[in-house]
Amino acid sequence: SQTIHQWPATLVQPVGSPLSLECTVEGTSNPNLYWYRQAAGRGLQLLFYSVGIGQISSEVPQNLSASRPQDRQFILSSKKLLLSDSGFYLCAWSRLAGGSEQYFGPGTRLTVT
Amino acid sequence: GENVEQHPSTLSVQEGDSAVIKCTYSDSASNYFPWYKQELGKRPQLIIDIRSNVGEKKDQRIAVTLNKTAKHFSLHITETQPEDSAVYFCAVNSGGSNYKLTFGKGTLLTVNP
Repeated sequence: SQTIHQWPATLVQPVGSPLSLECTVEGTSNPNLYWYRQAAGRGLQLLFYSVGIGQISSEVPQNLSASRPQDRQFILSSKKLLLSDSGFYLCAWSRLAGGSEQYFGPGTRLTVT
Repeated sequence: GENVEQHPSTLSVQEGDSAVIKCTYSDSASNYFPWYKQELGKRPQLIIDIRSNVGEKKDQRIAVTLNKTAKHFSLHITETQPEDSAVYFCAVNSGGSNYKLTFGKGTLLTVNP
């Protein structure tokens, strides 16, 4: 069966500091991978998605970036955090072909102070 | 791009009553319509989905209906229980793609014992 991991689970960072969130998927190959942000407990905003290694599509221009250095690894980064970057960051995966079902990781709760 | 409207934003019912949440979408090419349940502080969980070649799908106490002509679909929960209390999100695949979902803003369902 497939499993998706995210870490860290919670993070408190000062404004202007860098960020690195990691997501890994087990039990499948060539997944589509996604980063979402959820602010104020409601609404899922798609930030980035990737259909393969090194292939990143950005949905919302901002000070965040994403990378996919390995097939089942997806990283969300920032060089300088803003207060508005606070939120619940969710990674998700779906099968490359044949289905649109997305499955979410446990999430990282980021507080920028 | 795809526009998904979800109503109501909050819904309060008595235990044992039925709950209905409705979503409308704009892109006639969309063909996949999932519903997610998110409990407080947890990840969204896929609870039921429907594809455009069917009009209704049931799974125990939950059902989803789809009207492609009118571009709307609904989640029906019967015999509600307190553990059904959560935020529910509808979603639609964008432009018929297999890898992008557009989410509604969510409905906070409260089931009062």
